Formats: sequence, structure tokens, C-alpha cells
Amino acid sequence: RKEVEQDPGPFNVPEGATVAFNCTYSNSASQSFFWYRQDCRKEPKLLMSVYSSGNEDGRFTAQLNRASQYISLLIRDSKLSDSATYLCVTPRDTGRRALTFGSGTRLQVQP
Amino acid sequence: NAGVTQTPKFQVLKTGQSMTLQCAQDMNHEYMSWYRQDPGMGLRLIHYSVGAGITDQGEVPNGYNVSRSTTEDFPLRLLSAAPSQTSVYFCASRLSGSSTDTQYFGPGTRLTVL
Repeated sequence: RKEVEQDPGPFNVPEGATVAFNCTYSNSASQSFFWYRQDCRKEPKLLMSVYSSGNEDGRFTAQLNRASQYISLLIRDSKLSDSATYLCVTPRDTGRRALTFGSGTRLQVQP
Repeated sequence: NAGVTQTPKFQVLKTGQSMTLQCAQDMNHEYMSWYRQDPGMGLRLIHYSVGAGITDQGEVPNGYNVSRSTTEDFPLRLLSAAPSQTSVYFCASRLSGSSTDTQYFGPGTRLTVL
């Protein structure tokens, strides 16, 4: 079983829609999680960190469910500029020296 | 600050050739890592370093060597290139002990091995 698993999508949604992605993880000892955004042929960039039950930043909400071992990312009022691949990430070890990535979920927001 | 820089941006090699992918950061970050990303997949860790003189293997280290002689530089060497090493390579760095956990990535090197 992969350490971090995501639905690859693509998720095709109209502008203004609300969309949610889930990510499951296998290591129950994992303490922190991240959502990175990756535009086509670009480097990943940190979108949100999740350390406890959840985090909210504007239109983006991340939630952590430790009992079921999944993290979700909710995007409200989708914009065309939200089109990207969203990577679910967790530290590789307790020292947080490097990262383990999911394969990513592709979002395409359509006009 | 330039952040994390990588050279070259693109490279084509023939099977069996060797080369070094360069990575440098000017943020005085202790932690540096190399990842590869294949089509439709997430990033996989090749090697990482927690400081000058200290390196360790990641998930897919075979066929690659690294060294860390300075805090700023973390080159990745392909010893004898194989078509299976065709990929996009990202270098990343992070400040140790940072509460934000943000890893900063370079723009990537796109490598094709024929």
C-alpha cells in the first residue's frame, strides 16, 4: 500500500463550484500534512499545512480525520486560476527532513 | 534572494553517459533534497542531506550519487545514464526546525536519456 494515496482525477468543475479532494495515508503516526499545488511543468508550492484537525485560508479548507486516516482539501468558489494538480504530502520522518508525496489530483476549472 | 536554483533546465543524454545536475540555495537552509517526478506520478525522494558533509538515501537512490561539501550546494550525479532515468528532477531546501515546514523547490531539470 502506498504511504499517501490520492484520486488522480481529473476533476472538471465549472467556475464558482465547490470541489473536494481526499487523500488517505497509511502511517498512523504521521503528525503533519500538507497540500502542495503544482502547475503544469512547474515546481510544487506549499498551499496549506495541517497539524491538528484542520486549517482554513480564504476559499481553501483542509481537514484531517485521524480516525479514518484521511485529509481533505475543500475549494470553494472555484476560479479558473485554481486549475492545477494538488499534491497531498506528509513528512518522511519525525525530523521532517524530506517529504513523501501522493501522486496528485488534477483539477480543471472550466468557464 | 534567488531561492533554489537548478541547472541545466533541459538535458538530453545518451545511455551510459554521466552528468551532474546542479542545485544551489542562498537561504542558508540546512536540509536539501532531490526528487524525481515521472509522468502522472508524485515526487519520489532520491537523496537528501541535513547539512554539509551529511547525506542519506531516499526512496529511489540507485544510479545516483550526491555530496554536500557546502551548505549552499547539493549536486546530483548520474553515474551511467539509463532510459529509466528520464524524468523531471526537483531540488528542494528547508530550514531546520522551521515551524512552517515549508520546502522551497527549484524550477526543475528535465532530463531525457536516449
